[in-house]
Amino acid sequence: GAGVSQSPSNKVTEKGKDVELRCDPISGHTALYWYRQSLGQGLEFLIYFQGNSAPDKSGLPSDRFSAERTGGSVSTLTIQRTQQEDSAVYLCASSLALPGTGNGAGELFFGEGSRLTVL
Amino acid sequence: GQNIDQPTEMTATEGAIVQINCTYQTSGFNGLFWYQQHAGEAPTFLSYNVLDGLEEKGRFSSFLSRSKGYSYLLLKELQMKDSASYLCAVSETGGSYIPTFGRGTSLIVHP
Repeated sequence: GAGVSQSPSNKVTEKGKDVELRCDPISGHTALYWYRQSLGQGLEFLIYFQGNSAPDKSGLPSDRFSAERTGGSVSTLTIQRTQQEDSAVYLCASSLALPGTGNGAGELFFGEGSRLTVL
Repeated sequence: GQNIDQPTEMTATEGAIVQINCTYQTSGFNGLFWYQQHAGEAPTFLSYNVLDGLEEKGRFSSFLSRSKGYSYLLLKELQMKDSASYLCAVSETGGSYIPTFGRGTSLIVHP
């Protein structure tokens, strides 16, 4: 498809289980972001990948969260030992470039998100 | 880091004009974005401002004043389909330019 694809769209899991969320960015987009959105909250930055550079992990809330991006394309966000406070919509976005770097606005194209519910 | 503030909720009448404000604090401004997000859907890009002034795009316009740390999104000739959340996001220099989002303004358009 032409847009950012995320799977699963919905995931219900039990507290303590591990989950994996997948993101397939727009072809040719070198930048990939993960955000999460809790009810009534803004988008919270988690992690950012740019090409072959080391990822910016500054937004990950704990060491239970990790992400990788294989071959500069598909990314997987893993949450280990899930907790109820991890319940949120996890949004992936990709862009051609970072904002203000001379390659247009660097706007983000978002996927539909993965809704995670931890019971 | 940024401190982004926007109203939580606004209501307006179909056909009217509404202005959604966003204020921010940053040590190194690198651009401001507005996104629209309908309930249960992905945010979609509306506008980008990096210089002072008004950017017009159809029924939507976005204004920026860097000296005041202030932006607004102006929606004209409101339609029912404009009911959505409007997200203000700021990119900052000195780091990795990653946009930081405000909590969003929920706009309700009624007949």
